[in-house]
Amino acid sequence: GAVVSQHPSWVICKSGTSVKIECRSLDFQATTMFWYRQFPKQSLMLMATSNEGSKATYEQGVEKDKFLINHASLTLSTLTVTSAHPEDSSFYICSARPGAEGFATNEKLFFGSGTQLSVL
Amino acid sequence: DAKTTQPPSMDCAEGRAANLPCNHSTISGNEYVYWYRQIHSQGPQYIIHGLKNNETNEMASLIITEDRKSSTLILPHATLRDTAVYYCIVRVGNNDMRFGAGTRLTVKP
Repeated sequence: GAVVSQHPSWVICKSGTSVKIECRSLDFQATTMFWYRQFPKQSLMLMATSNEGSKATYEQGVEKDKFLINHASLTLSTLTVTSAHPEDSSFYICSARPGAEGFATNEKLFFGSGTQLSVL
Repeated sequence: DAKTTQPPSMDCAEGRAANLPCNHSTISGNEYVYWYRQIHSQGPQYIIHGLKNNETNEMASLIITEDRKSSTLILPHATLRDTAVYYCIVRVGNNDMRFGAGTRLTVKP
């Protein structure tokens, strides 16, 4: 099956620094990728949708200037948490949707393994 | 996308079938039912999905009622490694996927 690689799997950073998380589709082209955040013992919350070559669409309440998303190629999307603070500590997960060619319109999403961010 | 309702937790004995229910009474005709599971500190894993007909794969079976207002995920022979949070999601076409609270399944020896 299709594989989505997410890197790093965990990161610890100091308050005020920026952290970049990468999401790669390894064996398919992903025209759309989604970014989620998950706090302990809670469900996944959709943060934003990124389409290759265009600006990301953010969910209500998610600061676009704080969570910068870039989807410059069909296999890579990045999420940068800028000026991270302890309240940004969370589990961040990406998912990818294959492009239309060769895939059904109800194609399932493929998820990365997640990135645990801890801000000190 | 339609909302789903799942019991917060369930237990199952190892080797027995685990039947996880999901209510989606407001589902529309073009919405699919998806099931994913998440083992602690990992990304969600796809299990199965369907529209109207019952579906079966190597992991599980999906039973959708005739009126499509509810469904049941069946793990035929649960193992300890099936302990996870199971999410039932309804979704139109290639829209984004939004997760509810899910059911925490604990398989006990």
